[in-house]
Amino acid sequence: GAVVSQHPSWVICKSGTSVKIECRSLDFQATTMFWYRQFPKQSLMLMATSNEGSKATYEQGVEKDKFLINHASLTLSTLTVTSAHPEDSSFYICSAPSWTENYNEQFFGPGTRLTVL
Amino acid sequence: KNEVEQSPQNLTAQEGEFITINCSYSVGISALHWLQQHPGGGIVSLFMLSSGKKKHGRLIATINIQEKHSSLHITASHPRDSAVYICAVSQGNLIFGKGTKLSVKP
Repeated sequence: GAVVSQHPSWVICKSGTSVKIECRSLDFQATTMFWYRQFPKQSLMLMATSNEGSKATYEQGVEKDKFLINHASLTLSTLTVTSAHPEDSSFYICSAPSWTENYNEQFFGPGTRLTVL
Repeated sequence: KNEVEQSPQNLTAQEGEFITINCSYSVGISALHWLQQHPGGGIVSLFMLSSGKKKHGRLIATINIQEKHSSLHITASHPRDSAVYICAVSQGNLIFGKGTKLSVKP
């Protein structure tokens, strides 16, 4: 099946710094990628939809100036957490859809665990 | 009320038991996904359904579109099945349930 990678798998940073997380589709092209956040013991929540060549679409309550998304190519989307604070500590996961059989199936990256000190 | 409800929230089983996890949803969907999340956080897509039933090894997933309900069954459960199982419905993007934490004891 299709493979989505994320880098880094975990990161620890100081409050006030910016962190970039990469999401790559390894063997398929994705014009759309999705970014999710999962706080401990909570369900995954969609943050934004990343669109290749155009602006990302953010979900209500997600600050677009804080969570910068760039989908510069058909295989790479990046999420930059700017001026990170401890409350941004979370598990960030991306997914990308790919056609399998007759379905547009979602493939998930392994996630990035961010800890802001 | 959440758009996607899962039950039970937690489930402990003995090795070999037959397990059922349920998912109900209240919105129109194009597909329903069953996902498996291991303690490290990585997510694996188990099934994507839009109708009927699918089987993969010891896992079976069913969906009833009219009743807006899906079930995930695990036959002959094993400790390595211990994980969080998440139901998600697709409306273009995904809406996730809160997950069912399954622990299978040897």
